[in-house]
Amino acid sequence: DQQVKQNSPSLSVQEGRISILNCDYTNSMFDYFLWYKKYPAEGPTFLISISSIKDKNEDGRFTVFLNKSAKHLSLHIVPSQPGDSAVYFCAASRNDYKLSFGAGTTVTVRA
Amino acid sequence: SQTIHQWPATLVQPVGSPLSLECTVEGTSNPNLYWYRQAAGRGLQLLFYSVGIGQISSEVPQNLSASRPQDRQFILSSKKLLLSDSGFYLCAWSVPSGRFYEQYFGPGTRLTVT
Repeated sequence: DQQVKQNSPSLSVQEGRISILNCDYTNSMFDYFLWYKKYPAEGPTFLISISSIKDKNEDGRFTVFLNKSAKHLSLHIVPSQPGDSAVYFCAASRNDYKLSFGAGTTVTVRA
Repeated sequence: SQTIHQWPATLVQPVGSPLSLECTVEGTSNPNLYWYRQAAGRGLQLLFYSVGIGQISSEVPQNLSASRPQDRQFILSSKKLLLSDSGFYLCAWSVPSGRFYEQYFGPGTRLTVT
């Protein structure tokens, strides 16, 4: 059962513009949400997280928004850079040791 | 700073052969440790996690096992590999308390079972 869903398998954006990645979840018991970035043949790199008690968290060019009523979160990357081209995974935790991951969205930043 | 190592980076094994993948973490004590598998085009599936030496929790029934013989060492094993065991295997760690949900991944092992 896929509790975390990333319905867009790919996203193409021009360099300098905003990238918006979306993620939906079904389990209302999730307490923490995370975004990871992954290059081919490498392990995922932690980007940013947000607690369920917040609706926004910002770190440099990355901002995560959480809409609990809609069970939806998004990652904004502004401005997008060529090095941002990667697969982005959304993940969620129920305040325990387990993370449930989405299937990922492949971002391509065009020059 | 903390570092996580995995080896080998790639592995090609015949069906029915044994498997041993190793993961070690440096720069932290008593980490939580995790084994994940990523199948082609899929998200990451948690296979095992450990909160201490000798303490292993299995998430999915499968052909694999895990062991934690030392505080910062996590081993993934199989006695007889199946074709379906092919995939990208990732080890991860997190702090034991506080922001334990933030997991940090190793470089991964690409396993191909032929």
